[in-house]
Amino acid sequence: DSGVTQTPKHLITATGQRVTLRCSPRSGDLSVYWYQQSLDQGLQFLIHYYNGEERAKGNILERFSAQQFPDLHSELNLSSLELGDSALYFCASSDVSHSGNTIYFGEGSWLTVV
Amino acid sequence: GQQVMQIPQYQHVQEGEDFTTYCNSSTTLSNIQWYKQRPGGHPVFLIQLVKSGEVKKQKRLTFQFGEAKKNSSLHITATQTTDVGTYFCAGGGDTGRRALTFGSGTRLQVQP
Repeated sequence: DSGVTQTPKHLITATGQRVTLRCSPRSGDLSVYWYQQSLDQGLQFLIHYYNGEERAKGNILERFSAQQFPDLHSELNLSSLELGDSALYFCASSDVSHSGNTIYFGEGSWLTVV
Repeated sequence: GQQVMQIPQYQHVQEGEDFTTYCNSSTTLSNIQWYKQRPGGHPVFLIQLVKSGEVKKQKRLTFQFGEAKKNSSLHITATQTTDVGTYFCAGGGDTGRRALTFGSGTRLQVQP
């Protein structure tokens, strides 16, 4: 158990819909990262928040947005969903703002768009 | 932007054979980390290398960081079925400020 909690674990939704994925980082971690992993693909970095502020953006679509709340949990919002958005979305956390330390992954949220 | 390439994409070995995956960055890295993802699981941290030319061992696993801090390798001696999974390298930007950039991963299949 990494200490990073993600909900929901599985989600099936229709094209055009909007979903919200939730992440609670490890206790004490200020950084939250979101990654997308499509079937048999690598980990695509989406976005990084540190203590409520956006720190880095990766290949995140304009239809996607995220935020980190004062209690440090984070949400990833995916809208106008397309079939190609079906993937495993990982949240990870770290205790620092830079890339020098280990990041701990949650178990992921499986999103299926039909 | 920073890119991290990893080869091979896939490797199938007989149990007992050795395995190596290679990672190359387009820019100098502040550190390189290795993660393992079991089938159906999430990536789990294995090790971090920080110093130029650093070599670290974990039982049958040997990790190396290149002298120029732009490449790395993971070598597994005498693979076991428990080694099955996808191995990812992840590079930290040279300023240490960017999020980790993950390689595409090497999927290892071990036949008993």
